[in-house]
Amino acid sequence: GQNIDQPTEMTATEGAIVQINCTYQTSGFNGLFWYQQHAGEAPTFLSYNVLDGLEEKGRFSSFLSRSKGYSYLLLKELQMKDSASYLCAPFSGGYNKLIFGAGTRLAVHP
Amino acid sequence: DTEVTQTPKHLVMGMTNKKSLKCEQHMGHRAMYWYKQKAKKPPELMFVYSYEKLSINESVPSRFSPECPNSSLLNLHLHALQPEDSALYLCASSQAGGAGTDTQYFGPGTRLTVL
Repeated sequence: GQNIDQPTEMTATEGAIVQINCTYQTSGFNGLFWYQQHAGEAPTFLSYNVLDGLEEKGRFSSFLSRSKGYSYLLLKELQMKDSASYLCAPFSGGYNKLIFGAGTRLAVHP
Repeated sequence: DTEVTQTPKHLVMGMTNKKSLKCEQHMGHRAMYWYKQKAKKPPELMFVYSYEKLSINESVPSRFSPECPNSSLLNLHLHALQPEDSALYLCASSQAGGAGTDTQYFGPGTRLTVL
């Protein structure tokens, strides 16, 4: 079966750093994606990890530990526009099957 | 260009109507997807087309009928829907449907209301 766990809501202050954790149990795991979704809009791709370790893309970084079934998304220098839902999505199987976690709603305050 | 387009943006239909949702991409992607998203929930995979062939059907009711006329187009035909089918329907595409990490790019979605 598939089980993906991430916090429901988080709040943070503009300019700060926030870490959004995700734990997962999936069959046929091949890697993990993070997407950002603003309310009423489509998900947009942020990052993916295939191997263990940290991937950095500007203000966003994502970490993966395959042995622990654990990932996190790190957002630095938070901006108000970063207020959105962040979706953890393990990728499995031979058909690019993404299973999304419930998402973490991040609210950034001045 | 990572654009996936969807039409219409909004659709209101009765339970006896037949309608279609359309999705288009010109990125040369060979895999296309339909997702359903209810309010405050994550997207749920419905169908996957790989090289214009249906490769995954996530036990979706037959009142939803996908069609992939060519590698750039994906349709979702709707018939005899129920009010609980009201949701945001998202289309996505990726480079290939085989094994490997293929980033999926999403369209803006069609917001469907079934009366």
